[in-house]
Amino acid sequence: DAGVTQSPTHLIKTRGQQVTLRCSPKSGHDTVSWYQQALGQGPQFIFQYYEEEERQRGNFPDRFSGHQFPNYSSELNVNALLLGDSALYLCASSVERVGNEQFFGPGTRLTVL
Amino acid sequence: AQKVTQAQTEISVVEKEDVTLDCVYETRDTTYYLFWYKQPPSGELVFLIRRNSFDEQNEISGRYSWNFQKSTSSFNFTITASQVVDSAVYFCALSDEAMEYGNKLVFGAGTILRVKS
Repeated sequence: DAGVTQSPTHLIKTRGQQVTLRCSPKSGHDTVSWYQQALGQGPQFIFQYYEEEERQRGNFPDRFSGHQFPNYSSELNVNALLLGDSALYLCASSVERVGNEQFFGPGTRLTVL
Repeated sequence: AQKVTQAQTEISVVEKEDVTLDCVYETRDTTYYLFWYKQPPSGELVFLIRRNSFDEQNEISGRYSWNFQKSTSSFNFTITASQVVDSAVYFCALSDEAMEYGNKLVFGAGTILRVKS
């Protein structure tokens, strides 16, 4: 049973560029959440998708957007990249229910130069 | 607002020592869930345990044990007879029902555990 997968593993971009990160949830999971983890900090919630809709959002600007597909996979898009966007981006999947544990993927390391 | 505090930034122990990682949380909800995750150097967060606010029983799983005390809003994690493989960053997290939908996790800053042989 495959766990949560993310691609790419690493990514290097320059300021002002746009980036798309991808996530496939664990089999049987219908909810995908994205988190940003800056170096030395805990993960920060970006947003969550369920039934192809964004239903919850953290304190992130509109430059961060996402999408969920009918097969429950998801994309995170970041426009107009800033140096401060450099971080580990983690995708987590779960079954839709408050309090259910979330299972995380290995993350995408984004470096903005 | 929800908040999780892990006051210990870094702990170093020698193999076979016991170690306790502290977690203090804040929430206005009466129904909430607490979690512990382990993040090894590879970066992937590994789920360890979930506890709901109505179950204050302590739990033991092998060398791991958890002490949940609502009176002090704490959910501490103890590793008995630590091993080098326990070296990682450990995160405590909170999810509550303040939001109508969704189950976002609010994480603490994490505690770096270094176990030396």
